[in-house]
Amino acid sequence: EPEVTQTPSHQVTQMGQEVILRCVPISNHLYFYWYRQILGQKVEFLVSFYNNEISEKSEIFDDQFSVERPDGSNFTLKIRSTKLEDSAMYFCASSELSQGGGSGYTFGSGTRLTVV
Amino acid sequence: GENVEQHPSTLSVQEGDSAVIKCTYSDSASNYFPWYKQELGKGPQLIIDIRSNVGEKKDQRIAVTLNKTAKHFSLHITETQPEDSAVYFCAASTTDGDDKIIFGKGTRLHILP
Repeated sequence: EPEVTQTPSHQVTQMGQEVILRCVPISNHLYFYWYRQILGQKVEFLVSFYNNEISEKSEIFDDQFSVERPDGSNFTLKIRSTKLEDSAMYFCASSELSQGGGSGYTFGSGTRLTVV
Repeated sequence: GENVEQHPSTLSVQEGDSAVIKCTYSDSASNYFPWYKQELGKGPQLIIDIRSNVGEKKDQRIAVTLNKTAKHFSLHITETQPEDSAVYFCAASTTDGDDKIIFGKGTRLHILP
C-alpha cells in the first residue's frame, strides 16, 4: 500500500536554529498538508498546499514557517528560527483529491522535533 | 472557524464489549467527517468516514453515525479486541474549497483483557 514517508523520524535542534522536515507524499496525490501534535494534545492544522502554492494556513503558521515542493516528489517544512514551543510531532499528509472528492488524507509516521 | 469537541478523553472497555466515542462540531457547513486511529509512534490512519448525506455507515466491527441537525457524530466499535487499543480522533471538514480537516482532542481507548 502506498505510504507517505517522512524524514528524519526524530530531530533534536538548538533553539534559534533552522530545521527542515522532509516528506515524500504518495506519487499521484495532488494535495499536501502539514499538521503538528504537541505531546498529548490534538492534531493541529498548519498549512495546505496545492498546485505549487499555499492554499490555506493557520495562525500557527507564522513567518518563521515556510513550505516548498522543490522537485516532483519532496514536500518540505522549514522552521527558520526554532523556539522551545515548536517541540512537537510534525505530520505530513497527502490526498488525491480535496475533501470535495472525499478521498481522505494519508498521514506519514511523523517527525518528532525536540528544541533544546 | 470549525471547532470539534470529543468525549471521552479516555475510555476503558473489557475485551469483547462495545466502545462508543462521541463528537460534536460547530460549523453547520461541515459535511465530511473522518475518523482516525493513531497507534503509538505512528501517524493517524483513516479508519472510516461519513458524509452529511448519509446517517450511518458500517465497516465490519466499526460504525459511524451522524446527526446533522444536532451536529453530533459517533464512532461505535463492537466486539472490541486488544488491537483496538489506540488513540482515536474524530474530525470535520467542509467541501467548499476549504480542504483542511479539524481534529478533536482524541480518545485514548484501552481494551482490558
